[in-house]
Amino acid sequence: GIQVEQSPPDLILQEGANSTLRCNFSDSVNNLQWFHQNPWGQLINLFYIPSGTKQNGRLSATTVATERYSLLYISSSQTTDSGVYFCAAGNRGAQKLVFGQGTRLTINP
Amino acid sequence: DTGVSQDPRHKITKRGQNVTFRCDPISEHNRLYWYRQTLGQGPEFLTYFQNEAQLEKSRLLSDRFSAERPKGSFSTLEIQRTEQGDSAMYLCASSPRTGRHQETQYFGPGTRLLVL
Repeated sequence: GIQVEQSPPDLILQEGANSTLRCNFSDSVNNLQWFHQNPWGQLINLFYIPSGTKQNGRLSATTVATERYSLLYISSSQTTDSGVYFCAAGNRGAQKLVFGQGTRLTINP
Repeated sequence: DTGVSQDPRHKITKRGQNVTFRCDPISEHNRLYWYRQTLGQGPEFLTYFQNEAQLEKSRLLSDRFSAERPKGSFSTLEIQRTEQGDSAMYLCASSPRTGRHQETQYFGPGTRLLVL
């Protein structure tokens, strides 16, 4: 089945810095989602982005499906951006999402 | 639109007991998924329903696990004879039948299970 790898595993930054999180996947996808998991465990949808580029405020994401990777950009980081970010991918014909191991982002004041 | 809801939010049980979790998807979402997440890991797929039909099951779903969605609305996940290794967060998600984001899965807050 499809495999999803995220990097870096941990990222520590100062408030105001920009960050880039990467997600590599091993096969073609028809579903690619980015989530932020809050301290209570809730997975918050950030982007549904199997291809192309999207922006939402300080966050943007780009998926290059032909090269099998996706990037999540966070600009002007705030302490509330801290948490674990997951990328999850799904193949055509399979409904399940396969998650990466996550990137733990810590934004220090 | 209310989100996906799960009940209970926390469950502590003794090894060998049976537990049942409930998931209410977003209304009119015909697809429903169960995932399990252990500490420090990403969620792992357990099973998937389209309406009331269970269409896919992971090998993680041992014989002690059973999931149902009898009327194509809410779903239950039962674990029989719980083991300490079952301790995890159990997450439910739903996705719509049609529309621009029909593949997008929306997750509930999860049920955190601790088996003593």
